[in-house]
Order: sequence, then structure tokens, then C-alpha cells
Amino acid sequence: EPEVTQTPSHQVTQMGQEVILRCVPISNHLYFYWYRQILGQKVEFLVSFYNNEISEKSEIFDDQFSVERPDGSNFTLKIRSTKLEDSAMYFCASSYDPYEQYFGPGTRLTVT
Amino acid sequence: AQSVTQLGSHVSVSEGALVLLRCNYSSSVPPYLFWYVQYPNQGLQLLLKYTSAATLVKGINDFEAEFKKSETSFHLTKPSAHMSDAAEYFCAVRAPQYSDDKIIFGKGTRLHILP
Repeated sequence: EPEVTQTPSHQVTQMGQEVILRCVPISNHLYFYWYRQILGQKVEFLVSFYNNEISEKSEIFDDQFSVERPDGSNFTLKIRSTKLEDSAMYFCASSYDPYEQYFGPGTRLTVT
Repeated sequence: AQSVTQLGSHVSVSEGALVLLRCNYSSSVPPYLFWYVQYPNQGLQLLLKYTSAATLVKGINDFEAEFKKSETSFHLTKPSAHMSDAAEYFCAVRAPQYSDDKIIFGKGTRLHILP
């Protein structure tokens, strides 16, 4: 069964550094999403992406965040200058239609 | 705006007993509702979804949920708990418009199965 994959599974970085989290969505899917889950808190929506542009973003998704689909298969989340509070589990999701999103296993980002 | 409230951050049931995980939603329009499960060190897996068809929705692993508009509830049940059901369960909601496809999650309920 096709699945969403994410790399790396765990990323440790120093405050102020740039990180890129990578996702490979399911191949025929059209809608792509990033969510995050700070330890002990709920899963929060960050951004949705459709037709090569952002369709919606939350207030969390400020100028330090960006998303890209560089080659038609990968979907990346870049955090330009990481802060301690960016430490969280980041989930990628994809869907063929907006009604059923398939989630990846997540990347745990630790900012020190 | 949509939101969900999950009652109980931890629920413990004995193996073979009924599982009941509670979820109440708030929505200005008839919502789409979901239950996701997260096993340790894994991603979020869709258990079942309600998208305005039958109010009793059956999902994987014998889970089911009933949409009750009068109670604004979407509780998750399973007749007989199995040890493998130990996981975190998230209730979620989204608006049924294409322009608002983000999913809003509850805080989650960790289900413990007692032998």
C-alpha cells in the first residue's frame, strides 16, 4: 500500500540554523500539508499546498517557514532560522482530494 | 470556526472490555469528522471519517463512531479491546468547503489496555 514517507526521522539542530524537512507524498496525490505537534500538545495545521502554491497557512507559518515541491515528487518544509520553540514533531500529509489526508511518520526536530 | 474537545487525556480499559473515547465538536457548519490513531513512533492513521452520509460510521479494526448532531458528539467505540489497541487517538474536524481543507485536531486520548 502506498504511503507518505518523511526524512529524516530525527533532526537535531542548533538555534539559528536552517533545516529542511523532506516528505515524499503518495504519487497521485494533489494536495499536500504540513502539521506539527509540540510535545504534549495537539497536532496543529501549518500549511496546505495545491497546484504549486500555498492554498492556506496558519498564523504559526510565519516568514521563517517556506514550502516547496522542487521536483514533482518531494515536498519540503524549510525553517530558515530555527528557534527553541520550533522543537516538535512535524508531519507531512497528502491527499488526492481534501477529504482524506494520509500522514507520514513524522520528523522529530530538536533545536538546542 | 471548528474545534474539537476530547474528554480524558488518558483512558484505561481491560482487555475484552468496551472502549469508549469521547469527542465533542464545535462547528458553525455541518462538519466532516475524523478519528486518527497514532501508534508509538508512527504517523497518524485514519480510523474512520464522517462526511455527512450515514451517522454511524464503521472504521478499521472494529472501531466505529456515531455522529450525533443534537449532542455535537462523535464518540469512538469498540466492543472488545485488544492489547494492540493501545495508542493515542485523535478526534479531528474540518469544514466541508474546498477553501478550508485544514484538519483541526483535538488534544488526543491515550488508550491503555490492562491485561
